Amino acid sequence: EAGVAQSPRYKIIEKRQSVAFWCNPISGHATLYWYQQILGQGPKLLIQFQNNGVVDDSQLPKDRFSAERLKGVDSTLKIQPAKLEDSAVYLCASSFPTTSGSRGGELFFGEGSRLTVL
Amino acid sequence: AQSVTQLDSHVSVSEGTPVLLRCNYSSSYSPSLFWYVQHPNKGLQLLLKYTSAATLVKGINGFEAEFKKSETSFHLTKPSAHMSDAAEYFCVVSEGVWGTASKLTFGTGTRLQVTL
Repeated sequence: EAGVAQSPRYKIIEKRQSVAFWCNPISGHATLYWYQQILGQGPKLLIQFQNNGVVDDSQLPKDRFSAERLKGVDSTLKIQPAKLEDSAVYLCASSFPTTSGSRGGELFFGEGSRLTVL
Repeated sequence: AQSVTQLDSHVSVSEGTPVLLRCNYSSSYSPSLFWYVQHPNKGLQLLLKYTSAATLVKGINGFEAEFKKSETSFHLTKPSAHMSDAAEYFCVVSEGVWGTASKLTFGTGTRLQVTL
């Protein structure tokens, strides 16, 4: 079974430039997540999609970050303009939604996109 | 609101000795709890999960964890460490509502070092 695919793996940009990351989830997974992992910290949820609708974007800095999931499959996370503090690994994950009689579905993570902002 | 505290940022053990990574959680409801492992430059991988079934949960690679509600703990253990266990470990709590996608909250991670 193919895993969660992310690209690019590495990106170096200067501050105030823009960058976009792409994620292709596991086939059949309706739920897609973007996490930000700053060095030395645990992943922090940026946005969660259920199909192509947003479930939670409360921690997404909407003045500079945007994300979309057209057709409920692939997703793109964009940062414009980038700041130094955006240097991090951006993790995409996908899962089945929990169903009646269960709770706490397993997330499957991609290898991440490492962003360095100079 | 849910939260999770990993009590040690760094643990060092010798190969062949037991591993203990500590985690305490806070949750308004009966939580689901997970341990994920992250090897360098790799994505996170699920080690094990607790979802209100047996309190002692067995995972991959010989790891297990015990859910203790009275202590609000979910410590990760392994009887004998192997060099390949060196990685970052994250304790995670979820308060997913029945029938919807889960929302996970990650701890800050524990880096496990295994020495010869």
